[in-house]
Amino acid sequence: LAKTTQPISMDSYEGQEVNITCSHNNIATNDYITWYQQFPSQGPRFIIQGYKTKVTNEVASLFIPADRKSSTLSLPRVSLSDTAVYYCLVGEGLSSGDKLTFGTGTRLAVRP
Amino acid sequence: GAVVSQHPSWVICKSGTSVKIECRSLDFQATTMFWYRQFPKQSLMLMATSNEGSKATYEQGVEKDKFLINHASLTLSTLTVTSAHPEDSSFYICSVKEQGFLNTEAFFGQGTRLTVV
Repeated sequence: LAKTTQPISMDSYEGQEVNITCSHNNIATNDYITWYQQFPSQGPRFIIQGYKTKVTNEVASLFIPADRKSSTLSLPRVSLSDTAVYYCLVGEGLSSGDKLTFGTGTRLAVRP
Repeated sequence: GAVVSQHPSWVICKSGTSVKIECRSLDFQATTMFWYRQFPKQSLMLMATSNEGSKATYEQGVEKDKFLINHASLTLSTLTVTSAHPEDSSFYICSVKEQGFLNTEAFFGQGTRLTVV
């Protein structure tokens, strides 16, 4: 599995757009990029997944440059409830038996 | 996506006793489940991969005789912390993976907070 590097923490204010970048220089051809969100005392929750270019869903957007060595999770107009830890994971994961390895994650604090 | 339920949500036990944590996949038959442990302010650490009908695969450094895993059916895996000690106090989370739109997606239980006193 490719190693990922993310900022340990970020601060933002309500209504702002937040961009969290993840570096994965050793990403392999078959690897997908997946982001999870975790609130305190809860299990992680899937946010978004992509392979290249841009992916958007109702929660976030994921930007992946052509070289795929990094990715950026974009949260539009954050609210206090977006305060959480965000994990970037990179892996093939094509099989349901492939394990996920979590990095340090980014602790996002949204202030009023 | 798959719905994963853990029980109990929290448990307090005395040092030296054993505690069983259940992980159920409510709407998905999971041949594989994963068990994680998370200490405060830290990331999730994979403990073991639970395989239905066979022995679990433990990560390096995780004592298989202390953390007993049983995956007897496609919807239930259990983690038993034997002879628990205060240092075993942690947040235990299970997950399953299901084929999503692009790739497999992982779904997690709500976690079980174990406190050993």
